[in-house]
Amino acid sequence: NAGVTQTPKFRILKIGQSMTLQCTQDMNHNYMYWYRQDPGMGLKLIYYSVGAGITDKGEVPNGYNVSRSTTEDFPLRLELAAPSQTSVYFCASSWTGGYGYTFGSGTRLTVV
Amino acid sequence: DQQVKQNSPSLSVQEGRISILNCDYTNSMFDYFLWYKKYPAEGPTFLISISSIKDKNEDGRFTVFLNKSAKHLSLHIVPSQPGDSAVYFCAASASSGAGSYQLTFGKGTKLSVIP
Repeated sequence: NAGVTQTPKFRILKIGQSMTLQCTQDMNHNYMYWYRQDPGMGLKLIYYSVGAGITDKGEVPNGYNVSRSTTEDFPLRLELAAPSQTSVYFCASSWTGGYGYTFGSGTRLTVV
Repeated sequence: DQQVKQNSPSLSVQEGRISILNCDYTNSMFDYFLWYKKYPAEGPTFLISISSIKDKNEDGRFTVFLNKSAKHLSLHIVPSQPGDSAVYFCAASASSGAGSYQLTFGKGTKLSVIP
């Protein structure tokens, strides 16, 4: 099993550019999450989804958008990249909320 | 306001000795606690968990202790091995209330096991 796959692994964006971080899971998990990790900080929840067609904001949603059209995919969209969005982004999934997340390997994003 | 706190950014331990990583929480609604381990350039991986109905859970070299009255949990690794060198995140979730079924993470503790 591939588990949770994130692409790309690295990306450099210019201020104002947009991009989509891709996340796919093959475990048929209902719950999916996007976290960001800044240096020396814990993981902060950006958005989450409890099933296809249902998304909700986490702790730090500003500047991001998500969609969940299928169970497998949960892309994260940055519309107008800002330096404050320089971070490592992790996607995760789980059978039920709050337990046993499986994480992807992360996307390291730098906005210059 | 940090709801899950790991006050030690780093910890160094000799190989073969015990490693104790600490975590405090403030939200009394939390009823499930987890530890994740993270190597550089990888995503966090689940290590061990404990429900609030227990005060101890053991899995091989890893034991998690929960003190609900003190809102404190700790992870014990015995004996510590060089391969245990990683960042350890404490996480908590609540089964009801605002933000339920989401994991809240601490900032992490970087463990270095010295051969």
